Amino acid sequence: RKEVEQDPGPFNVPEGATVAFNCTYSNSASQSFFWYRQDCRKEPKLLMSVYSSGNEDGRFTAQLNRASQYISLLIRDSKLSDSATYLCVVNGGNWGQNFVFGPGTRLSVLP
Amino acid sequence: ETGVTQSPTHLIKTRGQQVTLRCSSQSGHNTVSWYQQALGQGPQFIFQYYREEENGRGNFPPRFSGLQFPNYSSELNVNALELDDSALYLCASSFDADTQYFGPGTRLTVL
Repeated sequence: RKEVEQDPGPFNVPEGATVAFNCTYSNSASQSFFWYRQDCRKEPKLLMSVYSSGNEDGRFTAQLNRASQYISLLIRDSKLSDSATYLCVVNGGNWGQNFVFGPGTRLSVLP
Repeated sequence: ETGVTQSPTHLIKTRGQQVTLRCSSQSGHNTVSWYQQALGQGPQFIFQYYREEENGRGNFPPRFSGLQFPNYSSELNVNALELDDSALYLCASSFDADTQYFGPGTRLTVL
């Protein structure tokens, strides 16, 4: 089993749709969690950190379920500019361990 | 922009050659991590440097080596290049190995 798994995608949705991405991780000692977005042939950019209580940033909502080792990202009212690959990232249990990236889920928002 | 810079942006080498990639971390950051991203995949962790010491290593052979300098900038060296080393090489800086911010990457092509 891979350390971090994501929905395979791609997701093709119309503008204004709500879309949800799912991610599971295998290391129960993982301490911190993030969503990054990556545009084609560009570097990953931090979208948001994910906290146990869940957090929201505008149209984006992230949830963490430690018991199920599951992370989600919800995008409401999707825009054309949301088209990108969304990477789920898990930081290992021990300080200084590496970030483990999921394979990413590609989103295309269509006009 | 993250303030993380990488050089060069593109590089073409032949099999068996050696390459050095460079990264300047964001001001105030003391940790640099290197990743390899093949086309269509998520970034794979190579190693991390914290205050000039290697602080974790992924599943990469010894011909991948690195350095971190007193100003926290870093180098990634790859010896005996193979065709499969063709990828985007990403550097990420952070403070105390927390949230990572990526540079634009170096695209390496091995012929």
